[in-house]
Amino acid sequence: DAKTTQPNSMESNEEEPVHLPCNHSTISGTDYIHWYRQLPSQGPEYVIHGLTSNVNNRMASLAIAEDRKSSTLILHRATLRDAAVYYCILMKGTASKLTFGTGTRLQVTL
Amino acid sequence: NAGVTQTPKFQVLKTGQSMTLQCAQDMNHEYMSWYRQDPGMGLRLIHYSVGAGITDQGEVPNGYNVSRSTTEDFPLRLLSAAPSQTSVYFCASRSGGPPSGNTIYFGEGSWLTVV
Repeated sequence: DAKTTQPNSMESNEEEPVHLPCNHSTISGTDYIHWYRQLPSQGPEYVIHGLTSNVNNRMASLAIAEDRKSSTLILHRATLRDAAVYYCILMKGTASKLTFGTGTRLQVTL
Repeated sequence: NAGVTQTPKFQVLKTGQSMTLQCAQDMNHEYMSWYRQDPGMGLRLIHYSVGAGITDQGEVPNGYNVSRSTTEDFPLRLLSAAPSQTSVYFCASRSGGPPSGNTIYFGEGSWLTVV
C-alpha cells in the first residue's frame, strides 16, 4: 500500500492561513488523495480530495504537486474550530483496505 | 440521514468478558471497516469487509472477530476482553464506486474500557 508522511504537529494563529503538507512519494497513477480531519472526541470527517488538479471547496483547498508525490491542504483562515488532527490518505477505486497514519495535530491559538 | 451508527457509545468490561460492538449504515455502502484509536495515536485498521459475506484482516486483528451477513451491518466481536483492548473504536463505510466521488463516513465512536 502506498504510504503517506505528515508532520506530527503544527501551530497557527487564528485568522492566518495554514499549509498542512503530506508526502506520498510512492503514489500510483490511480490513487486519489483524500484529506480527513478528526475533531476532539469525534470520528474523522471528510475535508477534500483530488487526483491531479488543485481543488477548492467551502472548507479548504488542496494543492497537488505536478509529480503528485506531495500535496498540501490549505486552510485559508484558521479558526479555533479548525484545531484537529488532519489525515492525508491515498484511495484507490478498487482498494478495500485503507490505512491512516498518525496525521498532523493542528493547534490554533488566539 | 442516520449515516453510520455505532452502539454502545460507552462500555466497561471485565477482563475475559466478551461483547459485540454494533455498526450499521443506511447508505448501501459496500465497504465497511473497523478501526481502533488508542490515546494520542492514529487509527489502526482491525478488520474490513468489501461486501456481504466477505471479510478480511487489517493491521491489528488479534482478539477480534467480524462477520458481514448483510450490507447494512458489520458487528465487531471481542472474544475475551483484555486491558490492551481499552480504546476508542470507529466504524467506517464507503461506497464501492470510483474514488472521484467516494468519501469515507465514520461513526461517532465507541469508548471501551477493559478493567
